[in-house]
Amino acid sequence: EAGVAQSPRYKIIEKRQSVAFWCNPISGHATLYWYQQILGQGPKLLIQFQNNGVVDDSQLPKDRFSAERLKGVDSTLKIQPAKLEDSAVYLCASSLSGYNEQFFGPGTRLTVL
Amino acid sequence: GESVGLHLPTLSVQEGDNSIINCAYSNSASDYFIWYKQESGKGPQFIIDIRSNMDKRQGQRVTVLLNKTVKHLSLQIAATQPGDSAVYFCAETNTGNQFYFGTGTSLTVIP
Repeated sequence: EAGVAQSPRYKIIEKRQSVAFWCNPISGHATLYWYQQILGQGPKLLIQFQNNGVVDDSQLPKDRFSAERLKGVDSTLKIQPAKLEDSAVYLCASSLSGYNEQFFGPGTRLTVL
Repeated sequence: GESVGLHLPTLSVQEGDNSIINCAYSNSASDYFIWYKQESGKGPQFIIDIRSNMDKRQGQRVTVLLNKTVKHLSLQIAATQPGDSAVYFCAETNTGNQFYFGTGTSLTVIP
């Protein structure tokens, strides 16, 4: 079974630039999550989708972050404009439903200079 | 927001010994808990989960204990191996939606 795919794996940008991350979840998984993991901390949930609808985005900085999940499959997370404090690993995960095991992708390491 | 914390940020054990990693949570309404293992440069990997209607659950070499009275969760790893060296996170939810992760405990296995 193929795992959760993410791209790119690494990205370096300057502050105020824009960046986008892509995630392809495990086939058949209705729930998709985006997490932000700052070095030395646990993952923090940014947004959760159930199929192509948003279930929870209470911790998403909506003035600069946006996410979408087209057709309930792939998802993109965008930051515009980026700030220095956005430097982190962005993890995508998927699961059959909220009360099931989450499978994580390898993450995208973002460095904002 | 929720508060999920770990008692010890680092833990070192001898190979072959048992490891115990602890986690405290603050929301008494949390009803689902997961332990994850994260190796350097990788995403978290599911280890074991437990629902609030259980006190104990066992997997292969791992056991999770849940004490709802004191809002405490622990992960026991039997016969710890070098491959168990990683950061371990507990996570909780009470809706199946918003998952809160702890800071993590770094486990080092000494050969």
